[in-house]
Amino acid sequence: KAGVTQTPRYLIKTRGQQVTLSCSPISGHRSVSWYQQTPGQGLQFLFEYFSETQRNKGNFPGRFSGRQFSNSRSEMNVSTLELGDSALYLCASSLVTSGTDTQYFGPGTRLTVL
Amino acid sequence: GENVEQHPSTLSVQEGDSAVIKCTYSDSASNYFPWYKQELGKRPQLIIDIRSNVGEKKDQRIAVTLNKTAKHFSLHITETQPEDSAVYFCAAIPSGGYQKVTFGTGTKLQVIP
Repeated sequence: KAGVTQTPRYLIKTRGQQVTLSCSPISGHRSVSWYQQTPGQGLQFLFEYFSETQRNKGNFPGRFSGRQFSNSRSEMNVSTLELGDSALYLCASSLVTSGTDTQYFGPGTRLTVL
Repeated sequence: GENVEQHPSTLSVQEGDSAVIKCTYSDSASNYFPWYKQELGKRPQLIIDIRSNVGEKKDQRIAVTLNKTAKHFSLHITETQPEDSAVYFCAAIPSGGYQKVTFGTGTKLQVIP
């Protein structure tokens, strides 16, 4: 099976712009989670989608949003970008959303905000 | 909420020696504990995981032990090799979804040839 894919791999934006990141899960996986990874804060949970529904959201401002499509592909959007949004954004997929199901990470999107 | 402490933050070992990384969690509801390896510029990869109904799990040179009473779990790598050099993350997850996942701060392991 193909692994989790993310596009684009690298993005450079300026403050105030918005960005959309895409994640394609492993075939058959219905749960997609998004994470932000920074040197200072480490890995932090953004949100999780299952069957096109956002199950929960981490402690991030409303500028961070997402959605999931019927084919389980997911997008994440960040509006009004700030310098502090520079990070590696990782998505991970799993079969179900029990919390004990193995997650597989994508390669990430490196976002740089200037 | 859950708090996961991971130690040490950096670890250097000679090739062939063993490496041990420890994580302590606070939420007794956590019942799934994966370990990830992340090489520079690459995605985190699951290397081993353990569930709360198991005390120890081994996969070749890698093992994980869980002490539910003390709320800590450890990663053991034996016969280390230079390709084991990476950052290792632990995580603690309660049932019900990954919204409550908490990751450790990571351990940078360097295996010296």
